[in-house]
Amino acid sequence: DAGVTQSPTHLIKTRGQQVTLRCSPKSGHDTVSWYQQALGQGPQFIFQYYEEEERQRGNFPDRFSGHQFPNYSSELNVNALLLGDSALYLCASSWGGLTDTQYFGPGTRLTVL
Amino acid sequence: QKEVEQNSGPLSVPEGAIASLNCTYSDRGSQSFFWYRQYSGKSPELIMSIYSNGDKEDGRFTAQLNKASQYVSLLIRDSQPSDSATYLCAVIKAAGNKLTFGGGTRVLVKP
Repeated sequence: DAGVTQSPTHLIKTRGQQVTLRCSPKSGHDTVSWYQQALGQGPQFIFQYYEEEERQRGNFPDRFSGHQFPNYSSELNVNALLLGDSALYLCASSWGGLTDTQYFGPGTRLTVL
Repeated sequence: QKEVEQNSGPLSVPEGAIASLNCTYSDRGSQSFFWYRQYSGKSPELIMSIYSNGDKEDGRFTAQLNKASQYVSLLIRDSQPSDSATYLCAVIKAAGNKLTFGGGTRVLVKP
């Protein structure tokens, strides 16, 4: 049973650039949530995708956008990168039905120079 | 006031002892509660979920929920050095299904 996968593992970008992170949910899951975790802090919710639509969004600027594909995989895009965007980006998958338990992928470590 | 609060620690526990971690939340309508373990540089790993008042046991872990006091705790019995990690408390509010996390409690189990 494949778990949640994310790519790439690590990424280094410079200020002003754009980045795309990818996530494949756990088998049988149809909902993908994205979180940002700064060093020493708990994860912060960015947004959630279900049935290819953004279902919920946290307090993140429009520079953060996403997409969900028909196979339930998802992308997180960040434009005009800032130094403060350096963080661990986590994808979590769940089943949009009766259970709300979310399982995390290994994360993508983004460093903005 | 933060939505989910945890003592940042570190909580230092001798090997074999019980580690007791606490978490409080502000939204009385919260309906689902989770404990995740996160090793340094890794992603959160689900340990326990709890939905109703009382205790829930799974191996060496016991989660306790008191909705009246808006309090959830995690007990780790027979603590091992491999339990040294940051433990994240997370809640889901009644209105949605996003996880809201506390800042985490760092636990150090000393041999």
